[in-house]
Amino acid sequence: SSELTQDPAVSVALGQTVRITCQGDSLRSYYVSWYQQKPGQAPVLVIYGKNNRPSGIPDRFSGSSSGNTASLTITGAQAEDEADYYCFSRDNSGNHPHWMFGGGTKLTVL
Amino acid sequence: EVQLVESGGDLVQPGGSLRLSCAASGFTFSSNGMNWVRQAPGKGLEWVSYISSSSGTMYYADSVKGRFTISRDNAKNSLYLQMNSLRDEDTAVYFCARGINYYDTSGSYHYYFDYWGQGTLVTVSS
Repeated sequence: SSELTQDPAVSVALGQTVRITCQGDSLRSYYVSWYQQKPGQAPVLVIYGKNNRPSGIPDRFSGSSSGNTASLTITGAQAEDEADYYCFSRDNSGNHPHWMFGGGTKLTVL
Repeated sequence: EVQLVESGGDLVQPGGSLRLSCAASGFTFSSNGMNWVRQAPGKGLEWVSYISSSSGTMYYADSVKGRFTISRDNAKNSLYLQMNSLRDEDTAVYFCARGINYYDTSGSYHYYFDYWGQGTLVTVSS
């Protein structure tokens, strides 16, 4: 089956911009969604579709995609953005639809 | 307000069985596909299973296929996961999540989870 690859850890200075990436062959065919997860909590959807934010998600979060790579950008990172971030997309291998998450990126805000 | 509340997590021996439940409220449950997602301790998220709104279609991750069965009762606004032949590696927090799928104006397919429960812990150990 195919995979979604994320950097395990990324850091950003408070107020700066950070990009979290997700790579995979299936991303040439399918969009990703992005989830934020803080310790001990359920994941929260932050980006879906081409670049859509659910109600309540700050506009400093944005998404983009090119070829086999999708990106989540946080413009002006805040302390509360420190969390794990997961990309999610459809797996285009096999006979039946499967979905998969990336391995996750731990974001540290310095 | 959309709410998803999981229950049924427990300590179970390898080879044992367990049934998880997810009680849904605040939306028309029968209109949405639903999913189970799990997270082993200190690890990332893993999609486990999907069921369509009418129970006509179910999909499973290869890691659980043949051992787990997803089902739902739309009259009771409830989602279930029957887990058999449990293994140590099934130890995880299990989340239920509402799935949204659509085709955009360019014909591209989108699927994502817009609401999640808080999870229930399943521990498989002797």
